[in-house]
Amino acid sequence: AQRVTQPEKLLSVFKGAPVELKCNYSYSGSPELFWYVQYSRQRLQLLLRHISRESIKGFTADLNKGETSFHLKKPFAQEEDSAMYYCALREKGNNDMRFGAGTRLTVKP
Amino acid sequence: DAGVTQSPTHLIKTRGQQVTLRCSPKSGHDTVSWYQQALGQGPQFIFQYYEEEERQRGNFPDRFSGHQFPNYSSELNVNALLLGDSALYLCASSFLRDSTNYGYTFGSGTRLTVV
Repeated sequence: AQRVTQPEKLLSVFKGAPVELKCNYSYSGSPELFWYVQYSRQRLQLLLRHISRESIKGFTADLNKGETSFHLKKPFAQEEDSAMYYCALREKGNNDMRFGAGTRLTVKP
Repeated sequence: DAGVTQSPTHLIKTRGQQVTLRCSPKSGHDTVSWYQQALGQGPQFIFQYYEEEERQRGNFPDRFSGHQFPNYSSELNVNALLLGDSALYLCASSFLRDSTNYGYTFGSGTRLTVV
């Protein structure tokens, strides 16, 4: 069965420091992986999708099939990055998008 | 474009009652998914509707049912409410053929409290 694990519920870094939010998944097929973000008092929104290999707001995420990970990284964190981050997985052709429990990132001044 | 709109925003119901939550998808989207998010947890998939039919269902009992209308809007119904049904219910819409590229667009949710 598909499963998404975000091992850190809370993560705190100082402004300008690198940040990495971990996401591990268990799925034997070819997954579609996403990162969603929820800023304070805002709705959940898509941040990144693995197929696009893009950088959004300085964040990148690389799919490592060997380690079954999809960690989210940013070299220099900003205070406005403080938010709740969710990793999500969906089996190709499936409709059941599985979310991790989320990591609350706090970037301190 | 208002994006995905959900109503009501908050709701308090008594155990055993029934509730209906509503969702209007983003303009241009044809698929609606419903999620339950308990406190401190990630969203859990309930089911997805496309072309007025339930395409897939998560691990939720039959007390949870839904409907999609010709204008793509959707309802989530929960019967015989339990205290454990208290949660934030999220609606997410997508365009079926583009969901891989663009993911889902979420509404702000309906906060259901069962007392």
